[in-house]
Amino acid sequence: AQTVTQSQPEMSVQEAETVTLSCTYDTSESDYYLFWYKQPPSRQMILVIRQEAYKQQNATENRFSVNFQKAAKSFSLKISDSQLGDAAMYFCAYRSGRGSQGNLIFGKGTKLSVKP
Amino acid sequence: DGGITQSPKYLFRKEGQNVTLSCEQNLNHDAMYWYRQDPGQGLRLIYYSQIVNDFQKGDIAEGYSVSREKKESFPLTVTSAQKNPTAFYLCASIAFLVGGWTGYTQYFGPGTRLTVL
Repeated sequence: AQTVTQSQPEMSVQEAETVTLSCTYDTSESDYYLFWYKQPPSRQMILVIRQEAYKQQNATENRFSVNFQKAAKSFSLKISDSQLGDAAMYFCAYRSGRGSQGNLIFGKGTKLSVKP
Repeated sequence: DGGITQSPKYLFRKEGQNVTLSCEQNLNHDAMYWYRQDPGQGLRLIYYSQIVNDFQKGDIAEGYSVSREKKESFPLTVTSAQKNPTAFYLCASIAFLVGGWTGYTQYFGPGTRLTVL
């Protein structure tokens, strides 16, 4: 079975600085997708960024980028120029590839605080 | 606006009662999912449904039941058999039969907070 591990329960960053959140996963599959979701205090889950395993190029979305290391099974999230609105829980999630049921397997999350 | 709605936002249950959480989507998505979130536990899958009148158990289905009579609706019933139902419940959906990223990404509703009194 696949597992997702987020080893940092809490992280803190100064406003305008850069922070990296870690995520590792365990799988024997070669076709899969990885996601980062943000959950602010409102508790709405918001998609931040996503990565296809077969793509070597790291995904980027404005200030958010990932470092995807397939061999190491690592999928870290980098937030540049951190803003107060980035404060939230961040969840890393894994989904099997085509033909799967589409279920997501989540890590336990990292709580990010942003200091003004 | 298209989206996923969950109601109610807060729900209180007495011991021994069954309660039903609503999840509706107007995105024409094929598959729908129910997750439970506990502090420090991330999200865990309760049930999911890929087509109308069909659904499968997730990792923690005991004490829960679902139905999928319409494509846009996937209600979750928390039965009295669920011994520790206090949690935050999230519904999600996906356009499963569509190609590209739309077919791979789950989108979430705003959630329901259930508290047992």
